[in-house]
Amino acid sequence: EVQLVESGGGLVQPGGSLRLSCAASGFTFSSYWMSWVRQAPGKGLEWVANIKQDGSEKYYVDSVKGRFTISRDNAKNSLYLQMNSLRAEDTAVYYCALSITMIPVYFDYWGQGTLVTVSS
Amino acid sequence: EIVMTQSPATLSVSPGERATLSCRASQSVSSNLAWYQQKPGQAPRLLIYGASTRATGIPARFSGSGSGTEFTLTISSLQSEDFAVYYCQQYNNWPPVYTFGQGTKLEIK
Repeated sequence: EVQLVESGGGLVQPGGSLRLSCAASGFTFSSYWMSWVRQAPGKGLEWVANIKQDGSEKYYVDSVKGRFTISRDNAKNSLYLQMNSLRAEDTAVYYCALSITMIPVYFDYWGQGTLVTVSS
Repeated sequence: EIVMTQSPATLSVSPGERATLSCRASQSVSSNLAWYQQKPGQAPRLLIYGASTRATGIPARFSGSGSGTEFTLTISSLQSEDFAVYYCQQYNNWPPVYTFGQGTKLEIK
């Protein structure tokens, strides 16, 4: 059974940093692109970033470029999102998401999400 | 950036009736479109991909259609568990920079 479990969310001040983690199990983690998708309170879904199987390609939504870094550790079956220079508008539930295809397309599986709150 | 626009924002339908949700892309996405269902406090669930293919375990009352810029999600006979928010997502870009619609809330009439 595919499981994606996010952690690392919390309250952080504007300008601060946070690192999210996603522990994956039930599939061959190193075989698939992985993504982060976020959802601000009461709002819709926004794709944030994705990373290729070997980490050699990474893509970001414009609003987080230069501030967020996606990474992965295939030996630990884990996905990460390093978030720096956080802003109030980054407040959201962050989901780890998996496309079970060789390229990232739609998202077959989602974690339960971890809440990031940016506030003073 | 491809902009996805969903309509209506809220749809009120009685149980047992048909619901039709729309999604429009600002430029052609071919058939590279997915639909998701999200209930309060839960993660989204994939319903449809490739504009019309049901994901594993999705009931036959859910169907998708369309291509290019106009897409429709139809729920043929609404069950109580179908009242939720529905999102469309395009995945036609390379590099893979994807966009979602703003969602349609399906509520009980």
